[in-house]
Amino acid sequence: SVLLYQKPNRDICQSGTSLKIQCVADSQVVSMFWYQQFQEQSLMLMATANEGSEATYESGFTKDKFPISRPNLTFSTLTVNNARPGDSSIYFCSSRGTGGAEQFFGPGTRLTVL
Amino acid sequence: QQKVQQSPESLIVPEGGMASLNCTSSDRNVDYFWWYRQRSGKSPKMLMAIFSNGEKEEGRFTVHLNKASLHTSLHIRDSQPSDSALYFCAVNSAGNKLTFGIGTRVLVRP
Repeated sequence: SVLLYQKPNRDICQSGTSLKIQCVADSQVVSMFWYQQFQEQSLMLMATANEGSEATYESGFTKDKFPISRPNLTFSTLTVNNARPGDSSIYFCSSRGTGGAEQFFGPGTRLTVL
Repeated sequence: QQKVQQSPESLIVPEGGMASLNCTSSDRNVDYFWWYRQRSGKSPKMLMAIFSNGEKEEGRFTVHLNKASLHTSLHIRDSQPSDSALYFCAVNSAGNKLTFGIGTRVLVRP
């Protein structure tokens, strides 16, 4: 298994600002995934981040709006640029443990954009 | 069309009753079917996984899979109030990405 930690737990920001969400794994993982979840709705995969390469974004999510960095095998950051009220949701990082198929989730970051 | 379809959207079950949740994938390349549970205010946690035809039981939870029809179901017997949560079906597809359904909200009434 893998334990994932996210910082901050929650954030409130003004429209037009940018904020960073950090995800740290307790062991080295190949891929880190970022998901967006609106209030008790489905989990939407935003992007997949592998070390040393550009993140791969899913339809509806762009690098300009949600740049992701993956500087090493235990760390990733998601930035929300030019935040809008429609970005208010919970952001989860996720990953698989070494050699496993099960995907684990961090505790989530609840973002409110005013 | 959603790649993973779940039904019902919500379910109210009396304590001690049986909850039955359904999930169908439209992707024939699916390898694994997963069931995740998300309690209110928490992150999703894997409940059960199944990848071969048949049935798998863990305690009060049973999953069935019919690979020909790409249909899986989750059954919770002797439901408890602590089973109240959002239940997601998810599938692994191309590139090993995990795709989630819209979820079934289960409420167990004491």
